[in-house]
Amino acid sequence: AQRVTQPEKLLSVFKGAPVELKCNYSYSGSPELFWYVQYSRQRLQLLLRHISRESIKGFTADLNKGETSFHLKKPFAQEEDSAMYYCALSGLGGTSYGKLTFGQGTILTVHP
Amino acid sequence: ETGVTQSPTHLIKTRGQQVTLRCSSQSGHNTVSWYQQALGQGPQFIFQYYREEENGRGNFPPRFSGLQFPNYSSELNVNALELDDSALYLCASSPGLAVNEQYFGPGTRLTVT
Repeated sequence: AQRVTQPEKLLSVFKGAPVELKCNYSYSGSPELFWYVQYSRQRLQLLLRHISRESIKGFTADLNKGETSFHLKKPFAQEEDSAMYYCALSGLGGTSYGKLTFGQGTILTVHP
Repeated sequence: ETGVTQSPTHLIKTRGQQVTLRCSSQSGHNTVSWYQQALGQGPQFIFQYYREEENGRGNFPPRFSGLQFPNYSSELNVNALELDDSALYLCASSPGLAVNEQYFGPGTRLTVT
C-alpha cells in the first residue's frame, strides 16, 4: 500500500530562518512526488513536483529514493510562506497514475 | 483563479440521508477526481472520472458513487450518510490524467448530524 508521512503537524520558524518540511513515503514502483500548498482562504494548489526539479518561491525538494524522502526546503523563510503544506505522491504509471495520495499536512508559521 | 467550481459551498444533513455534490470542471478538462478531507487530515482519493467513465477508485464503500456528464462536469453521491462522512469534499479537474495539471475546486463542506 502506498503511504505518505509528514511527521510534523506544526512547524514554527522566524523570518529569515531556514525551513525544512519533512516527508517520507512508501510505494512499490516508481512514484512521482509533489508538494501542495494551501494559503489561508485559498484553494489547494501545486507548489512543485520532483520531476521538474525546479525552485518555486525559493522552495526546493529533492527525491531521495534510498531514504524514501522528499523534504521541502527553503533557506530563508518569509512571512508569506505561512500556510498548510501537503506532500503527495502518484504512480508514474499503472493504476495509480493520476491519483494522489496525500500526507496529513504540516502547518508552517513564519513569525516576524 | 481557476475555473473549477463546486456546489453547494456547505450543507448539513442528517445521518441516513443522501447527498449530491456537484463539480464543474475547467473548460477543456475531461477528467475529474474527487477527494474527501476529514478535519485535520490530508485529502483522500475517492474516485476519478475520465471521459465519462470511472477510472479508478480509492478505499471507499459503494454508497459513494459518482457520475460524469458529457460536458465533463461531475457529481458525487453519498447514500446512507454516516457521522464520519462529515468532511470537506474536493474535486479537481484536469485536461488528462497527469496530476500536475489537476486544478482543485474550493470544496464543499458536508456536516452530518
